[in-house]
Amino acid sequence: DIQMTQSPSTLSASVGDRVTITCRASQSISKWVAWYQQRPGKAPNLLISHASTLESGVPSRFSGSGSGTEFTLTINSLQADDSATYHCHQYSSYPFSFGGGTKVEIK
Amino acid sequence: QVQLVQSGAEVKPPGASVKLSCQAFGYTFTNYYVHWVRQAPGQGLEWMGIINPGGSSTGYAPKFQGRVSMTKDTSTSTVYMEMRSLTSEDTAIYYCARDQLRGNSWPDPWGQGTLVTVSA
Repeated sequence: DIQMTQSPSTLSASVGDRVTITCRASQSISKWVAWYQQRPGKAPNLLISHASTLESGVPSRFSGSGSGTEFTLTINSLQADDSATYHCHQYSSYPFSFGGGTKVEIK
Repeated sequence: QVQLVQSGAEVKPPGASVKLSCQAFGYTFTNYYVHWVRQAPGQGLEWMGIINPGGSSTGYAPKFQGRVSMTKDTSTSTVYMEMRSLTSEDTAIYYCARDQLRGNSWPDPWGQGTLVTVSA
């Protein structure tokens, strides 16, 4: 089974900061990674698929990169509305799996 | 638009079973696989398995194999997830989500979630 190790588990940053979240896969998964944003009490919302393809309607300050075993989600110019938990997800092979999540807090 | 509507909250005693539903709207039900994912309180997302509504094939995470069954009713465009022998560790929000293709892509969109509470 493929394990997704996400870091950090929490981070605190100021409005306008650049934030980077990392996911490492236990084996190579090409670019079969998606990123989700989840606000409290809500279902996850897709931000990025195929490691770097931005979902329609998602602000351009969000970007994804990586391939193989290391992947990053970057938020350029953090906004107050970005306070949420972010999850990476691998869909390379069954059983699919998620990272542990990163809670982003605004200072 | 594409929408998945899940059944309401459940409270079950330890050892019981629960069967959750997820009804699809806005697309051809049999053309897209459906995932089930759960989230325990304060925890991350956990992928449980997937079902092909156009056939009868399913795939389960090893942790849930033998204790979870996913089924479908094409007449109502509904998928079901049944879990047996519940324990307090099964207390979680359970989500269904549609695949983009035939079970080899990311889940989106998601249902609103169903809270299952296991308590004596």
